[in-house]
Amino acid sequence: NAGVTQTPKFRILKIGQSMTLQCTQDMNHNYMYWYRQDPGMGLKLIYYSVGAGITDKGEVPNGYNVSRSTTEDFPLRLELAAPSQTSVYFCASTYLTGGNTEAFFGQGTRLTVV
Amino acid sequence: TQLLEQSPQFLSIQEGENLTVYCNSSSVFSSLQWYRQEPGEGPVLLVTVVTGGEVKKLKRLTFQFGDARKDSSLHITAAQPGDTGLYLCAGARAGNMLTFGGGTRLMVKP
Repeated sequence: NAGVTQTPKFRILKIGQSMTLQCTQDMNHNYMYWYRQDPGMGLKLIYYSVGAGITDKGEVPNGYNVSRSTTEDFPLRLELAAPSQTSVYFCASTYLTGGNTEAFFGQGTRLTVV
Repeated sequence: TQLLEQSPQFLSIQEGENLTVYCNSSSVFSSLQWYRQEPGEGPVLLVTVVTGGEVKKLKRLTFQFGDARKDSSLHITAAQPGDTGLYLCAGARAGNMLTFGGGTRLMVKP
């Protein structure tokens, strides 16, 4: 089982550039999430989706956009990259919402904005 | 201010020592999870506790959920270098998404 797959694993962007972080899952999970993890810190929720066509803001959505056209894919878009967006980004999926279900994470995308 | 506060933030111990990591909040959670994250990887679920006062054991790891469902602890007995990693607690309130704590970075030296 592939689980949750993220691409790319590493990326360096210049200030003002844009990019899309890809995330796909093959577990038929309805719920998908994007988190960012700053050095030595925990995870902060950027955006989440409860199903195809439905997205909502998390704790730190500014500077990001998402879409959910299919159950499998949940890309994260950075339109105008800023140094404050330097972080490791994790995509996750769950079968149900809340805490009675395991969150499966991708391996992360390490993004540096210079 | 994080909803879930973990302590300590960093812990460096010798192999064979015992340790306890805490996850505290002023909010009540319907359940609480503990994840472990190794460098370059995403977090992996260790355990979920759902009942106030619940205790779960996973080999040398003991997890406890507070009676009021506001806090949790992770105790490791006879730590080994393989226990090294970032330990994250995550709480869920009814209908809401998981909220993660800031993590405890553990290093176990041989």
